Amino acid sequence: AQRVTQPEKLLSVFKGAPVELKCNYSYSGSPELFWYVQYSRQRLQLLLRHISRESIKGFTADLNKGETSFHLKKPFAQEEDSAMYYCALFNAGNMLTFGGGTRLMVKP
Amino acid sequence: ETGVTQTPRHLVMGMTNKKSLKCEQHLGHNAMYWYKQSAKKPLELMFVYSLEERVENNSVPSRFSPECPNSSHLFLHLHTLQPEDSALYLCASSQDRLAGVTDTQYFGPGTRLTVL
Repeated sequence: AQRVTQPEKLLSVFKGAPVELKCNYSYSGSPELFWYVQYSRQRLQLLLRHISRESIKGFTADLNKGETSFHLKKPFAQEEDSAMYYCALFNAGNMLTFGGGTRLMVKP
Repeated sequence: ETGVTQTPRHLVMGMTNKKSLKCEQHLGHNAMYWYKQSAKKPLELMFVYSLEERVENNSVPSRFSPECPNSSHLFLHLHTLQPEDSALYLCASSQDRLAGVTDTQYFGPGTRLTVL
């Protein structure tokens, strides 16, 4: 069975510091991985997907099949990045499996 | 309004009440989903509808009853709920659940449900 693990429930950094939100997965097939973000009082929205290899709002994520990881990174955190971040895996049944989420707090 | 909408945004109900959550998508999608987000758990997939047919039910108690009258609307009927059912209920839609390529799900804002 597939599983998505986000080991940190809370990550607190200062503005301008680098950020890395960890995501590890277990899946026997070829994974399709996503990061979703939920800002305060807003709906869950797609941040990025690994197949597009794009950078959204300065965030990037590289799929590492050897380490089965898909960590989300940003070199310089901004206060508006404070939100709940979910890593998700698209499985063979065309369903998304979500991790537990990491709350990012960026302090001024 | 475009995208995925959900009503009501907040709902407080007693254990003996009957209420319904409504989801509507304006994206022309064929698949719709109900998720539950509890305070201390990952997002849980509850039901999946594809072309108005229920294709997945992830061991959800019978006090939750979904209904999909057409591809744009999805309901979640609630009756005799328990306090532990208090959570954020999210609706999502995607172009086609059976698509051979990765299909992005678009989420509504959710309904915050409190069961007293």
